[in-house]
Amino acid sequence: SQTIHQWPATLVQPVGSPLSLECTVEGTSNPNLYWYRQAAGRGLQLLFYSVGIGQISSEVPQNLSASRPQDRQFILSSKKLLLSDSGFYLCAWSVSGSETQYFGPGTRLLVL
Amino acid sequence: AQSVSQHNHHVILSEAASLELGCNYSYGGTVNLFWYVQYPGQHLQLLLKYFSGDPLVKGIKGFEAEFIKSKFSFNLRKPSVQWSDTAEYFCAVKNSGGYQKVTFGTGTKLQVIP
Repeated sequence: SQTIHQWPATLVQPVGSPLSLECTVEGTSNPNLYWYRQAAGRGLQLLFYSVGIGQISSEVPQNLSASRPQDRQFILSSKKLLLSDSGFYLCAWSVSGSETQYFGPGTRLLVL
Repeated sequence: AQSVSQHNHHVILSEAASLELGCNYSYGGTVNLFWYVQYPGQHLQLLLKYFSGDPLVKGIKGFEAEFIKSKFSFNLRKPSVQWSDTAEYFCAVKNSGGYQKVTFGTGTKLQVIP
């Protein structure tokens, strides 16, 4: 069966520090991968999606970037965190051609 | 661009009460519609989805949703809620076709009081 992992679960970082959040999927090949940010009262905001290795599409211009170095690995990064980057970050995957998305447990990021 | 509106941000119900959560979308073409649920401490997961066919869709745990094309709505319903239905519910829409972007609503927090 397929599983999706995210780590860390919680992260507290100072302003200006770098960020790296990792997401991996098991049990499937060539998934579509997504990064969302969930903010209270604002729903889920799609940040990036990827349909294959090295293929990243950005939905919202911001302080963050994403990379997909391997088929089932999706990384969310920042060179310098801002206070406004605080939030709950969700990774998701879907089978290419299917609309149903499967979400990971999320990472809660607090930038101080 | 597609968008989704969930008008109820926080709903409080007693057990056995009936539930209806509103969801309206804006997109002129053919859509796929979803309701996702996030129970406390758990992953966001799919509750039900509509792609085509019968506009009344039944999901897990007794939930159902009705797609009304003329109203651009996909309201979620349950005749009798339980305490275990306490969760946050998200409506989502995707334009059917190749592009995989799913747009989510802002979510509705449901609190069921025993």
